[in-house]
Amino acid sequence: GESVGLHLPTLSVQEGDNSIINCAYSNSASDYFIWYKQESGKGPQFIIDIRSNMDKRQGQRVTVLLNKTVKHLSLQIAATQPGDSAVYFCALSPGGSYIPTFGRGTSLIVHP
Amino acid sequence: DSGVTQTPKHLITATGQRVTLRCSPRSGDLSVYWYQQSLDQGLQFLIQYYNGEERAKGNILERFSAQQFPDLHSELNLSSLELGDSALYFCASSPDSTANTEAFFGQGTRLTVV
Repeated sequence: GESVGLHLPTLSVQEGDNSIINCAYSNSASDYFIWYKQESGKGPQFIIDIRSNMDKRQGQRVTVLLNKTVKHLSLQIAATQPGDSAVYFCALSPGGSYIPTFGRGTSLIVHP
Repeated sequence: DSGVTQTPKHLITATGQRVTLRCSPRSGDLSVYWYQQSLDQGLQFLIQYYNGEERAKGNILERFSAQQFPDLHSELNLSSLELGDSALYFCASSPDSTANTEAFFGQGTRLTVV
């Protein structure tokens, strides 16, 4: 099966700093990658996605970088705010199927 | 608000019992996915239904079953409950079954088995 792992279980940053959350994967056939944010007591919420034919995609204050050579995905959050405090999951799925495999999650703590 | 509604929000039951979790997908979404989230296992895919039919199966125990009704709402049935079944159960929905698109998650049902 798919293996998705996170480099750090907890990331603490100061408000205003940039945050980088990393994710490694093993299945080179994966072609769709998603980052989800889960706040306490809520379900995962879609942040941004990227397909394997791209290496970078930007959203509002977030950027996802995909390095297929080393099978690495990262989420960059600019000017991190206290409201960004949550658990962040990377998820990926192989072509032809939506069923994503989720990583274990990284807890982002933003200190005011 | 994701548009996906799950009930109940909390459920406490005894070992050996059976419970039913309910999910109403976003309007227009045909696919429903069930996930289990526990502290030690992360978010685990259980099963997917598309337009009333089972489409994909993940790590779902034989004691668990699900169905999707003609109005597209779905129910997850958990029977012969064990302490280890205590977890958050999430439902997600998406418009179709095969395109790699965003799925919208409900708020989850927290099941506690005592």
